[in-house]
Amino acid sequence: DAMVIQNPRYQVTQFGKPVTLSCSQTLNHNVMYWYQQKSSQAPKLLFHYYDKDFNNEADTPDNFQSRRPNTSFCFLDIRSPGLGDAAMYLCATSSRVTGTEQYFGPGTRLTVT
Amino acid sequence: GDSVTQMEGPVTLSEEAFLTINCTYTATGYPSLFWYVQYPGEGLQLLLKATKADDKGSNKGFEATYRKETTSFHLEKGSVQVSDSAVYFCALRGTQGGSEKLVFGKGTKLTVNP
Repeated sequence: DAMVIQNPRYQVTQFGKPVTLSCSQTLNHNVMYWYQQKSSQAPKLLFHYYDKDFNNEADTPDNFQSRRPNTSFCFLDIRSPGLGDAAMYLCATSSRVTGTEQYFGPGTRLTVT
Repeated sequence: GDSVTQMEGPVTLSEEAFLTINCTYTATGYPSLFWYVQYPGEGLQLLLKATKADDKGSNKGFEATYRKETTSFHLEKGSVQVSDSAVYFCALRGTQGGSEKLVFGKGTKLTVNP
């Protein structure tokens, strides 16, 4: 089945230690998104790629970076995680060609110690 | 800018009860509207969608109708099950600049008791 895959599902990092979360998709969608979701809140968009065109949200901290080396993969880098960055990180994809909806991965739960 | 206002929970129902979760929106033009469901510890799953006025989205016994005149997209199910316990998010995708983005409501937590 075509899908959005996130690895790892659970990630523990230390305060200030860089961490990378990964997302891959088999849907061949041209748009990929990264969201941060804290407990009992709606997902908050950090940034998205339309093909290789990077679009950062105005309120996304500089501590968060992203890379998209090809259509299938997208990475979220947190350069110096703080305790406030502990959250669920969701990757999603969509296609401008085939539809309006976004398809989400299962998420990575990040713990900062 | 675009916004979604969603009935806040939590909502607790008994099995086989009728469910309504209200959702209204503010947007320019004719946005696409969605309901997503999130089970504990999981990502969001698309439950249903509607892309134009008077469209009815339906899936797994859930329904929602795109009402342009009342700017609403209320979620309904005639008989809920314990397995429907989850958080439900109403969302819209606008038609203006940056239309790849979804605007979410705050979510409604539903608990169904046996």
